Amino acid sequence: GENVEQHPSTLSVQEGDSAVIKCTYSDSASNYFPWYKQELGKGPQLIIDIRSNVGEKKDQRIAVTLNKTAKHFSLHITETQPEDSAVYFCAASIPPDYKLSFGAGTTVTVRA
Amino acid sequence: DAGITQSPRHKVTETGTPVTLRCHQTENHRYMYWYRQDPGHGLRLIHYSYGVKDTDKGEVSDGYSVSRSKTEDFLLTLESATSSQTSVYFCAISATFGDYGYTFGSGTRLTVV
Repeated sequence: GENVEQHPSTLSVQEGDSAVIKCTYSDSASNYFPWYKQELGKGPQLIIDIRSNVGEKKDQRIAVTLNKTAKHFSLHITETQPEDSAVYFCAASIPPDYKLSFGAGTTVTVRA
Repeated sequence: DAGITQSPRHKVTETGTPVTLRCHQTENHRYMYWYRQDPGHGLRLIHYSYGVKDTDKGEVSDGYSVSRSKTEDFLLTLESATSSQTSVYFCAISATFGDYGYTFGSGTRLTVV
């Protein structure tokens, strides 16, 4: 929704290169920021998340960074592989009830 | 996806007919959600439930109703289907409202002709 803006909408990278997706949110009280990966024909799956008391989190080749002052957070994928090709969604918990609001998605294509 | 199933997976229906989509969970999670996914719009919340018989509207609720008579089942009804409701519908579940990730089902592709 409008609470979360996601860029770019499409991203093409060479295998082995890094990919970065950025999201901004509107409410400084948001406190939880998950990232989802959606493969063709499947539902979105949680791949990593971060809470507002942490600035960075890593899990193997993926990492998420959070800048609370600027109200933006980013997903970083290093050493991209063909299986990283998918649609990625960011989300943020939106006050007052903190339900998740999702970005519009980024289609990532990893070129062999 | 483990613990959450949607049915049917695909459906084609005619304009003006009622349609019901089903979401079933085995995780005993309190919260259940219905989203629609359309190109350029990402995931938009239609309705959600915070307990048996407790439901509320999301951002795109017009033309949809829901019911939750048991913890495990959350039904989405299109009262009179229109072509603008052609979409992929996802159900999601969560143990809490917004500090843990949601688990999504595999989706229902609905085509209204």
